[in-house]
Amino acid sequence: KAGVTQTPRYLIKTRGQQVTLSCSPISGHRSVSWYQQTPGQGLQFLFEYFSETQRNKGNFPGRFSGRQFSNSRSEMNVSTLELGDSALYLCASSLEYPNNEQFFGPGTRLTVL
Amino acid sequence: DQQVKQNSPSLSVQEGRISILNCDYTNSMFDYFLWYKKYPAEGPTFLISISSIKDKNEDGRFTVFLNKSAKHLSLHIVPSQPGDSAVYFCAASATDSNYQLIWGAGTKLIIKP
Repeated sequence: KAGVTQTPRYLIKTRGQQVTLSCSPISGHRSVSWYQQTPGQGLQFLFEYFSETQRNKGNFPGRFSGRQFSNSRSEMNVSTLELGDSALYLCASSLEYPNNEQFFGPGTRLTVL
Repeated sequence: DQQVKQNSPSLSVQEGRISILNCDYTNSMFDYFLWYKKYPAEGPTFLISISSIKDKNEDGRFTVFLNKSAKHLSLHIVPSQPGDSAVYFCAASATDSNYQLIWGAGTKLIIKP
């Protein structure tokens, strides 16, 4: 079974630009969660999607948004990028609930200059 | 407000000895706890979990202990091996919060030869 894939793996943008990250979950997994990881901050929860609906949302500004498609693939978008958005963005999928075993992708490393 | 705290950013243990990683939480509604391990340049991988109806769960060299009255859980690794060197995250969820995972900041475990 193929694992969680994320594209692109690395991204360099400048302040003010926007970015879209993509995540393909494991086949059959319907829950997709997004996290931001920065040094010393652990994993900060962004949002979770299930059956194309946002089920949970973390404490991030509205510049961060996401969506899920009917095949469970998910995208997250960050508009008006700020320097502080530089981080590793991780996507995780699970069968139905986020506290089921989550399988993580390798992440997208975003650098904002 | 950090609901899940891992107060030790790093821990160094001799190979063959016991590694004990600690995690404290503040939300008494948390009823499910998980540990994940993360190697550099990879996404976290699930290690072991425990429900609040139990106080101990074992899986090979890994044992998780839960002390609900103290709102404390710990992960024991016996014996510690070089491949255990990684960052360990604890996470917690509550049934009434749509099972959203709240993560600690992680503890970097270094196994010395």
